[in-house]
This record gives sequence, structure tokens and C-alpha cells, in this order.
Amino acid sequence: QLVLTQSPSASASLGASVKLTCTLSSGHTNYAIAWHQQQPEKGPQYLMRLNSDGSHIKGDGVPDRFSGSSSGAERYLTISSLQSEDEADYYCQTWDNGGVFGGGTKVTVL
Amino acid sequence: QVQLQESGPGLVKPSETLSLTCTVSGYSISSGYYWGWIRQPPGKDLEWIGNIDHIGTAYYSPSLKSRVTISADRSKNQFSLKLSSVTAADTAVFYCARISGSGMYYIDCWGQGSLVTVSS
Repeated sequence: QLVLTQSPSASASLGASVKLTCTLSSGHTNYAIAWHQQQPEKGPQYLMRLNSDGSHIKGDGVPDRFSGSSSGAERYLTISSLQSEDEADYYCQTWDNGGVFGGGTKVTVL
Repeated sequence: QVQLQESGPGLVKPSETLSLTCTVSGYSISSGYYWGWIRQPPGKDLEWIGNIDHIGTAYYSPSLKSRVTISADRSKNQFSLKLSSVTAADTAVFYCARISGSGMYYIDCWGQGSLVTVSS
């Protein structure tokens, strides 16, 4: 069974960088994923699709400070120059005969 | 630019059927993509409900399959969700979404969400 694992929380100072991790379960380590941002009291927004080779396709209007990378079973989302509006939940998502979501990471901007 | 908007009752009684509609603008649902429903109980994580493709074939989460129906009305450029025999555990914000890709599918556009409370 395909499972996406995310750390529950992460934090960094305003203007700093934070790197979030989404780990694919064994046997699915070559899967692509998508990252989504959910700001407080809002619906999710698509950020990017991220392939196993690290190439990614961002959504329209997603700032350049959001970037993706991959290593083995790990898929990363790096947010540079953290802004207050980046404080949100971040979900990874993939597909296995239907959508699969990770548990989300809550990012706090200090 | 594609936009999706959920609509439907905000309150449903236990044991009844929850019905929501997603109206799509800026793209014809008959032209391609998958179209899906996702829910999020208050304070909890996202859960996939199911999706329908551009020719009307539906796919459902195994955990909800016995209670879910997703259908499309191409004349209105809408797709709909019905969830039967609801309980308080079905209280959630329901999102409709466009699903892109080939082989690996991913949401590339979300609706703003519709809160549905199950209560007598």
C-alpha cells in the first residue's frame, strides 16, 4: 500500500529557508508527487508537481522562492525567504488507483 | 483560467444523502482531465473521495465506495457528489478539484470548499 509520510511540523524565522520532506513508502520510490499549500481557514492551492528526477512544474503564480527536489524516496519542498503568508499546512499528494495524501506539515514562521 | 465552485446544502440530517455540485468555468469537462471530490473533516487531513473522467467513468475510494456516487452533467459543465447514509463522521469541508496528468495524476486546481455539517 502506497503511503506518504510527512513530519507534522516545521518552523523557521522570517526571511530564512525551510525544507519539507514527503517520503514515499517502499516499492513506490520512483513516484511523482504534487505539493499543495493550505493557508489558515482557506482551501488548498496547488504549488507544483515534482518528479523523481527533481524536475517540477509549478502552478501559475507560484513564487520563485518555492522549489522542489528529489532524492530516492524523498520528495522535498523548499521555501526560501520565508514570508508570513507562508505559514500554512503543506500536503503532498500522489496517485495509486486514486488520490493519496500525506498527513501534512504545519509550517510556522517565527 | 479554470475555476471550480462547490454548491449545496450546508446541513444534512443523519441517515440522509449529502448532495453537492461543482460548477466548472473556463474549461469544458467533456474535453479532458479527471474531476474529483476530496473532503477534510474539521481539524483533520485531506481524504480522497473519488473522481470522474471526461467520458463519465467514475472511480471511488474503497472506504467510501458503497455510499458514493459521482456523476456529470455536461450540458451544465457540472459534476456532482452524492454520499448516502451520512453520520456525524461525514461532517467535513468538501472540495471539488481538477485532476491532471497521465499515469500519475495530481490536482492542479481546487474549488474553495463547502462545509457540510451532519446533524439532526
